[in-house]
Amino acid sequence: GQSLEQPSEVTAVEGAIVQINCTYQTSGFYGLSWYQQHDGGAPTFLSYNGLDGLEETGRFSSFLSRSDSYGYLLLQELQMKDSASYFCAVRDRRGFQKLVFGTGTRLLVSP
Amino acid sequence: SQTIHQWPATLVQPVGSPLSLECTVEGTSNPNLYWYRQAAGRGLQLLFYSVGIGQISSEVPQNLSASRPQDRQFILSSKKLLLSDSGFYLCAWRDRVGDTQYFGPGTRLTVL
Repeated sequence: GQSLEQPSEVTAVEGAIVQINCTYQTSGFYGLSWYQQHDGGAPTFLSYNGLDGLEETGRFSSFLSRSDSYGYLLLQELQMKDSASYFCAVRDRRGFQKLVFGTGTRLLVSP
Repeated sequence: SQTIHQWPATLVQPVGSPLSLECTVEGTSNPNLYWYRQAAGRGLQLLFYSVGIGQISSEVPQNLSASRPQDRQFILSSKKLLLSDSGFYLCAWRDRVGDTQYFGPGTRLTVL
């Protein structure tokens, strides 16, 4: 099966940069995704890494190192609206149709 | 464009009562469909997924079941609810070639 580990909570101030780490264990790794979920809402897709390296989408970037089974989500120029839970999720070749989520990291952005 | 609907938005049910949650997707054909449950302040637990009509894969043993009677309809059911079934139920879809999963608005279920 798969398992993913993330910090449970991260705090930061507006305008800062924050990095949320994710380590995973899976066989036949296929890709790592990141989702954002505001309180009471549904998760929404942020980023996907299928290959090593950095993917940038506006203020958000995601990094993957397959050899280290590790990835991170980088949020720059933090805004209050970025306060949310962030989940990494992995798909592997054996359970290709499934996306398994980590336990989530709660990000609190303060003024 | 594609949209995903779930209903009801909230539900309060007594222990031992039946359950039926419905999810429908519009604007896409032959999607993969998923049911997740999220306990308060916790992660998303995959319950069921389906790659086609009548094809259901169960991820965890429980008193819930799922059915896919039509291509874009996914139903989550229970004959007798338990207190532990309370949670936020999310339906999601993914097309066959993409990596993104799109979630519905969710149903918040409270079992009393």
